[in-house]
Parts: sequence; C-alpha cells; structure tokens
Amino acid sequence: AQSVTQPDIHITVSEGASLELRCNYSYGATPYLFWYVQSPGQGLQLLLKYFSGDTLVQGIKGFEAEFKRSQSSFNLRKPSVHWSDAAEYFCAVGSGGSYIPTFGRGTSLIVHP
Amino acid sequence: NAGVTQTPKFQVLKTGQSMTLQCAQDMNHNSMYWYRQDPGMGLRLIYYSASEGTTDKGEVPNGYNVSRLNKREFSLRLESAAPSQTSVYFCASSEKYEQYFGPGTRLTVT
Repeated sequence: AQSVTQPDIHITVSEGASLELRCNYSYGATPYLFWYVQSPGQGLQLLLKYFSGDTLVQGIKGFEAEFKRSQSSFNLRKPSVHWSDAAEYFCAVGSGGSYIPTFGRGTSLIVHP
Repeated sequence: NAGVTQTPKFQVLKTGQSMTLQCAQDMNHNSMYWYRQDPGMGLRLIYYSASEGTTDKGEVPNGYNVSRLNKREFSLRLESAAPSQTSVYFCASSEKYEQYFGPGTRLTVT
C-alpha cells in the first residue's frame, strides 16, 4: 500500500527566506506525486504534480518540487517566501492502478514578517 | 465555471439529528470524493464514486451514506449525527489523478 510522510508538522520561516517542505513516500513502482496548498478556511488547491519525465517540476505561485527516486522524496521548495504563502501544505501520492491519492498529514507554514 | 461547490458552508447539529451535505461539480468529471479533515489527521476518505452509478467505501465510512445522484452531484448523508462527526468535510472531483476541491462544510455536532 502507498503511504506518505510529512515529517514536519509546523515550519516557521521569515518573509524573504527560502523554504523546503519535506515529503517521503512509500510505493513500489513509479508514483504520481502532488503538492496541494490549503489557505485558511478554504479547500485544497493543486500546486504542482509529477507523473514522469523531468524530475524537477514547476508549479504555481513560484513553487517547485524535485522527485528523488533514490530517497523516495518529493520535497517542495520556494526561493523566497511571501507572507501570503502562510498555509497548510499537503503532499499526496497516487498510483497507476487507482485514481485515489493518499495524503500526508500536512505541514503548517508560518511566515514571520 | 464554478468548479466544485458545497452546501452548506456551516452547520450545527444536535446529537441524533440527520442532515445531507450537497456537492456539485461542473467540470464533467467522472470521479467524486468525500473527505473529512480533522486537526493533525490530514484528509481521510469517507466515500468515493469512480463513475456515475457507483459508490465505494473509503477509509472512514461508518456513520455515513452517499448518493451519486447524477454525474454532477454527490451527496453525503449523516443519518444520526454524533459528536465524533464534528469535522470539516470536503468534496472533490477528478477526471484522472488531479483532484479539485470544494470550499468545505464546517460541521459541529453538539
């Protein structure tokens, strides 16, 4: 069965600093990987996805993520965080046999001015 | 396009009351899902519908029922609400792997 671990429950960064949110997955074959963002009081919005090909994927709002098969990781990065990036971030993994993704428990990003 | 819409946005129920959460999507997606979100638990799948006319249990189906009314609409029913069902409920739809979420329903059961 597939699983996702987001090791950090909370991350605090200063505005303008760089950001990396960690995501580790467990799945036998090549997974489909996603990052979603949830702003307070709202639903989840897709930031980016990886299906195949280039292991560095670009998403919306200046985010990128890198798929590293050897480390079973799909970490989310942003070079310079804005106060509006404060939100909950979810990593998710899917497989070719099912359209139902498995979500991590989320990482809450706090941005200090 | 409105995307995925959910009604109501907020609801307070007394223990034992019933209610139906409504969800509709205008993206012509085949698959629809109901999740609940609790602090520290992430998203847990309650039920899903891979296509019109089919529904299947997810991770936490107890205490809930669903109806896929047509391709657009997927409702979630609580027959006898319990305090443990206090949560935020999200509906989502997808054609393949990317899910599109509604804004959520915040339900409190007292």
